[in-house]
Amino acid sequence: DAGVIQSPRHEVTEMGQEVTLRCKPISGHNSLFWYRQTMMRGLELLIYFNNNVPIDDSGMPEDRFSAKMPNASFSTLKIQPSEPRDSAVYFCASSTRDSGKYFGPGTRLLVL
Amino acid sequence: AQSVTQPDIHITVSEGASLELRCNYSYGATPYLFWYVQSPGQGLQLLLKYFSGDTLVQGIKGFEAEFKRSQSSFNLRKPSVHWSDAAEYFCAVGNFGNEKLTFGTGTRLTIIP
Repeated sequence: DAGVIQSPRHEVTEMGQEVTLRCKPISGHNSLFWYRQTMMRGLELLIYFNNNVPIDDSGMPEDRFSAKMPNASFSTLKIQPSEPRDSAVYFCASSTRDSGKYFGPGTRLLVL
Repeated sequence: AQSVTQPDIHITVSEGASLELRCNYSYGATPYLFWYVQSPGQGLQLLLKYFSGDTLVQGIKGFEAEFKRSQSSFNLRKPSVHWSDAAEYFCAVGNFGNEKLTFGTGTRLTIIP
């Protein structure tokens, strides 16, 4: 299995631009999670899906952030418009009910 | 509310020496506990997990952890560390189904020759 796949691995953009992060979970995993990691705040859960349905988005910082999971093998996290304070590493993770979470390699986002 | 405390921000260990990383948790019900390792520029890799049963859990890369309910602890151990073990280690606690994991702030492990 290829594990959780994220793209792009690095993204540099200017403030105000739209950013779209992509994730392909491990086949057979029915839960998908988006995390953000920063030095100041550590790992934060942004949103998670179960069977493609958003269950809890209370961690999404504000309306500029949105996430979708149109099918079991793909999810996106979109930031529009982006701001410098959004600079972080964004991780996607997937799991089954009894497994631990399996993390992707992350997308390192820099907003100038 | 659930919480995780990793009291050691940074630990330095000689190669070949034993290792213990501390983790204390706060959780209102039976906790589900995890240890993850993150190498620089990489995602988090699951080392081991505890759901129930034997309180001594074996993981990958020669790691083990012991669940002690009376001490609300889930410390990670390795009898002999290798230079490749240098990384950041995160303890996490969650509910059944582990949708909402709470992570500790991490312990950075440095290995010296």
